[in-house]
Order: sequence, then structure tokens, then C-alpha cells
Amino acid sequence: GQQLNQSPQSMFIQEGEDVSMNCTSSSIFNTWLWYKQEPGEGPVLLIALYKAGELTSNGRLTAQFGITRKDSFLNISASIPSDVGIYFCAGRAGTASKLTFGTGTRLQVTL
Amino acid sequence: DSGVTQTPKHLITATGQRVTLRCSPRSGDLSVYWYQQSLDQGLQFLIQYYNGEERAKGNILERFSAQQFPDLHSELNLSSLELGDSALYFCASSPAHSGSEQFFGPGTRLTVL
Repeated sequence: GQQLNQSPQSMFIQEGEDVSMNCTSSSIFNTWLWYKQEPGEGPVLLIALYKAGELTSNGRLTAQFGITRKDSFLNISASIPSDVGIYFCAGRAGTASKLTFGTGTRLQVTL
Repeated sequence: DSGVTQTPKHLITATGQRVTLRCSPRSGDLSVYWYQQSLDQGLQFLIQYYNGEERAKGNILERFSAQQFPDLHSELNLSSLELGDSALYFCASSPAHSGSEQFFGPGTRLTVL
């Protein structure tokens, strides 16, 4: 099945550092969502984006809906140990209801 | 806690067997989605039900089927199980049939031996 390209695949950072990750698609999406998944748990919704160019924040997290509608970005500022997990982007095209997920970015935070 | 519940948490079974996974959506949500997460394929959409009716179909095998009951809970039936069916199966729910955010349950880990 189709998956969106996420980069980087994994990141090892120190506590307090900022993090940037992105997600790209070959097709246009009308909605971009960012989820975080921890071991043994289901994905947890972090941010939802509905308009091209939209910039939305949720605490230390900021996400942007790319102008081309084929990409999205997630930034985490001043990372803390509990930010550890796998971050997934997900896109929805047109009036479709299904989400197409990215390959995930695994984040490790060291003290 | 997303408000979506799934049972069982873990399931171990043998090839050729049949299992049923259960999902209860968030209170008030009419849509239920099923996703499969495997190491090689990532999170893949299987099927969606909205208010009891099938709404969208993804990469769901013919050996798999689902339904949504009048109380809005949903069941995913997997039959003639193969080793490759071992995966995490997630249910998600949303208020509407499309265009809204989806909230995921904790998943069922299926192991086929």
C-alpha cells in the first residue's frame, strides 16, 4: 500500500534541542495530520491542518501545511524525554475518508 | 485516553484459524476505521463503516471482513489466518463520515504461529 515519505527516518537528539521533520507526497492532500505513537500504544493525534499554508501550534509543537499541498512539516521546540516516540504524518485526499500514513520518524531524546 | 476501546489487547493463534477483534468508538462518533500496522507496510487503511454501513474500502484481504452494529461498535473478522497476518490492528473513530480527525484505540496485537 501507499506510504508517504517522512524524513529523517530517525533522530537522536539531546534534551533541550529543537527538532524538525517533514513529510512529502506525490499527490495533493486536503488534510494533514500529525500523530505520535509510543510502544504498545495507538497513534495519538497531535495537530490537524486543513488549509495550504496553515501554521498550527500545540504547546511546543508547530506544524505547517505546505503551500504545494504535497508536504507538511512538524517542529518540536526544546525537546524533553517524554517526546520520545515515533511521529507519523497522515494525509487525506479529496473527500476520501481514509488516511494515508507516512513511514514515521523515530525520535530518541538523551539527557 | 482517546475514548476508543479495543479488545483483546493481545491475541495468539495458529495458522488457518479465525479471530474476531472488537472496537468501541468514542461516544458520539459514527465512523469506525480499521488499520493494520506491520513492520514492512506501516499503517495501512483496511475499511471504514459509518453508522452501520460500509463507507470505504482499502487494502483489505478477502479473508478479512468487518461490520458495525446498531450500538456502533465494530468487529473485524480475520479468517484462514497466515503467518503474514501477524500485525497490530487499530481501530479509529471520528464523528463524521469524512473530513474529520480520527482518534485511535490502543490496538490489538495479533500473533499467528
